[in-house]
Amino acid sequence: EVQLVESGGGLVQPGGSLRLSCAASAFTFTNYWMHWVRQVPGMGLEWVSRINNDGSSTIYADSVKGRFTISRDNARNTLYLQMNSLRAEDTAVYYCVRALRGPTPADYWGQGTLVSVSS
Amino acid sequence: DIQMTQSPSTLSASVGDRVTITCRASQSIGSWVAWYQQRPGKAPNLLIYAASSLQSGVPSRFSGSGSGTEFTLTISSLQPDDFATYYCQQYNTYWTFGQGTKVEIK
Repeated sequence: EVQLVESGGGLVQPGGSLRLSCAASAFTFTNYWMHWVRQVPGMGLEWVSRINNDGSSTIYADSVKGRFTISRDNARNTLYLQMNSLRAEDTAVYYCVRALRGPTPADYWGQGTLVSVSS
Repeated sequence: DIQMTQSPSTLSASVGDRVTITCRASQSIGSWVAWYQQRPGKAPNLLIYAASSLQSGVPSRFSGSGSGTEFTLTISSLQPDDFATYYCQQYNTYWTFGQGTKVEIK
């Protein structure tokens, strides 16, 4: 069974940093582009970032550009999101999401990890 | 950036009702639209892709239509499991989601 398991969420002060991880299993990780999507509890979905299958291409939403970095370790089947200079408005559940290459939708989501930014 | 405007934001319906949700794109996006269902406390689940293609395992009471800028998700006969929140998504350029439609029990 396909699994995407996020970890690394928690409470952090404004201006702080966190690194999220997403462990993938039961599928060929290198066949997929990977995304992070976030959701403020009770609100809608916001796409955050995408990385291509070999890690050579990354893109970011304007709201996180320059503060967040997406990366992947294909040997470990793991996706990462390094989040720096965190703000209160970054508080959300962060989902690790897979999609086939190119313009394709999300076909599998992790269960999400909650990031809370508060003093 | 491509904006997706979804309506209504809330919909009250009964079991057996036919339900339609609409999504409008701020520019033409061909058929690069997907629809997701999200139950409380769970991750979204893909229902429809390419505007009208049913994802494997999704019941046939779900259907999608549209192209260009106007898209609809229809549930032909609402079932108890279908009370949830639904999101449209464009994947023509990066990803953008609609604001969501909560389907409630009337």
